[in-house]
Amino acid sequence: QVQLVESGGGVVQPGRSLRLSCAASGFTFSSFAMHWVRQAPGKGLEWVSLIAYDGVNKFYGDSVKGRFTISRDNSKSTLFLQLDSLRVEDTAVYYCARDGVRYFDLWGQGTPVTVSS
Amino acid sequence: SYVLTQPPSVSVAPGQTASISCGGNDIGSKRVHWYQQRPGQAPALVVYDDDDRPSGIPERFSGSHSGNTATLTISRVEAGDEADYYCQVWDSSSEYVFGTGTKVTVL
Repeated sequence: QVQLVESGGGVVQPGRSLRLSCAASGFTFSSFAMHWVRQAPGKGLEWVSLIAYDGVNKFYGDSVKGRFTISRDNSKSTLFLQLDSLRVEDTAVYYCARDGVRYFDLWGQGTPVTVSS
Repeated sequence: SYVLTQPPSVSVAPGQTASISCGGNDIGSKRVHWYQQRPGQAPALVVYDDDDRPSGIPERFSGSHSGNTATLTISRVEAGDEADYYCQVWDSSSEYVFGTGTKVTVL
């Protein structure tokens, strides 16, 4: 079936790194732009990053620019998010989402990231 | 940065109609999308491009646009509609923006 499954979350100290993955299935992954969206505990949704269908163009929210890197492997239908220089305020559930032309038409179940000393 | 404002909470009795507003500067010029997030679950798209529904979303969910406000209307509310609802737009300066979220409680 059509789905997105995230993995790679965990507990990490401030300043350290983490790599999130999102495995896609049930649709032609290489035809779609993909996003990461996060949600801090008890808070609303925040867009994090976007990568074009071919991986060429990448965009980031101001709060993560210069620290996070989005990438994809179309041969493996997998999306990635490299989180570097992590801060306490990066603590959130991270969702991958498929692009539906400036909205998000398919979401994964999320992977939690906790940044704490 | 662009801001979308929603009421924090809306309460509605089963079978009645819930209306959730989403306000933003010049929102009338933007396409508005709506997401439902049930407790402990990921968000799910319920309305896109102001008033279209993805396949599988009941006709009870509808979107509209008037002036500086967009509205998600849930008709004949059911217990399963209890969730947080978020509006979202794309803005050229802020890119992807979500509303503050509205918790819908079914009495």
